[in-house]
Amino acid sequence: GQNIDQPTEMTATEGAIVQINCTYQTSGFNGLFWYQQHAGEAPTFLSYNVLDGLEEKGRFSSFLSRSKGYSYLLLKELQMKDSASYLCAVRDSNYQLIWGAGTKLIIKP
Amino acid sequence: DAMVIQNPRYQVTQFGKPVTLSCSQTLNHNVMYWYQQKSSQAPKLLFHYYDKDFNNEADTPDNFQSRRPNTSFCFLDIRSPGLGDAAMYLCATSRLAGGPDTQYFGPGTRLTVL
Repeated sequence: GQNIDQPTEMTATEGAIVQINCTYQTSGFNGLFWYQQHAGEAPTFLSYNVLDGLEEKGRFSSFLSRSKGYSYLLLKELQMKDSASYLCAVRDSNYQLIWGAGTKLIIKP
Repeated sequence: DAMVIQNPRYQVTQFGKPVTLSCSQTLNHNVMYWYQQKSSQAPKLLFHYYDKDFNNEADTPDNFQSRRPNTSFCFLDIRSPGLGDAAMYLCATSRLAGGPDTQYFGPGTRLTVL
């Protein structure tokens, strides 16, 4: 079966750095996405990785290792507004998005 | 601004009473998706349209139907809602089904079944 694993919940301090990991086992691979979802709202796109390596976008970076079936999302200079769930999703060989259940990130002052 | 719009944002229905949720988009995207998301769970794809071609997920109950009368609009019909159908329903669009094209989500409709 296809599976995306992420930690259920993480806590970090305002101004700090946090890394949210995602491991996947899917039928084929056609890209990995990270989305941010605030409580009661729709997911919003953060990043896309299809090749190995690090993609940086402001305070957010995303890393991919296809051989390891592994990605992480790195958030720097954390702000209170970063409190949200972060969902990892992998596009499989049928171009279907397989979603993780999300990691709830709690930011403390 | 180009966007994905869902109406209503909150819908309350009674057990067994049909309900229709609507989604419209101004992005002119080819693909439209309907997801069901329950609290602290991953979004679950119900079906998607690639233009007029309808693609139903194998495990989507027959109770859920969809219509896409034109490029801009897509509807989700729940014929006989049960208590287990209470969830957030998310509409999303993408230009293509593959490549780097991301899915753009509407704000969602939260369905309550009494």
